[in-house]
Amino acid sequence: GAVVSQHPSWVICKSGTSVKIECRSLDFQATTMFWYRQFPKQSLMLMATSNEGSKATYEQGVEKDKFLINHASLTLSTLTVTSAHPEDSSFYICSARVKAGVYTGELFFGEGSRLTVL
Amino acid sequence: GDSVTQMEGPVTLSEEAFLTINCTYTATGYPSLFWYVQYPGEGLQLLLKATKADDKGSNKGFEATYRKETTSFHLEKGSVQVSDSAVYFCALRRGNSGGSNYKLTFGKGTLLTVNP
Repeated sequence: GAVVSQHPSWVICKSGTSVKIECRSLDFQATTMFWYRQFPKQSLMLMATSNEGSKATYEQGVEKDKFLINHASLTLSTLTVTSAHPEDSSFYICSARVKAGVYTGELFFGEGSRLTVL
Repeated sequence: GDSVTQMEGPVTLSEEAFLTINCTYTATGYPSLFWYVQYPGEGLQLLLKATKADDKGSNKGFEATYRKETTSFHLEKGSVQVSDSAVYFCALRRGNSGGSNYKLTFGKGTLLTVNP
């Protein structure tokens, strides 16, 4: 299958700082990338949908000024958690939808990034 | 709104045992149904899917049948292996794959551990 990579896989930061998480499609172009958040023993909750070159669409209840999403190219989307607080500690997962090729239209997931805010 | 309920884990089995992980859903219309698997340290991978009622998805010895009458999509495998140890997520999607709406609704996940 196609490969989606997230970086960093684990990050610890101090309260009040900002953290950027990258999501890259390594061997394909992605029409759309999705960002999820997962709390312990909970399901993945969709935070936002981003298309290359346009503003992200946020789900209800997700603060767009808190979780900045940039989708500058067909292979890279970034999630920036601004002024992070302990309640932002979570597992963040991205997925990317394949634009063309043998896996056209299919969805592939990154391995996730664990954020711990002290 | 849409929701997916799957059996709580963890599930611990011996090798070659029979596996069932229950999944039921609530959604309007005719959603597509999925099972994803997440092996340790890796991202979610699509295991199998079914797009309409009575469809059976299958892959790697796993099967699940789309039952509209019971709104269920239970995952089964006749003989599990140690390498099947992972977290399994049931999910649904409304809207067709060609449209702009590709939102997945996930269950909470079930941790499966298979012992030798």
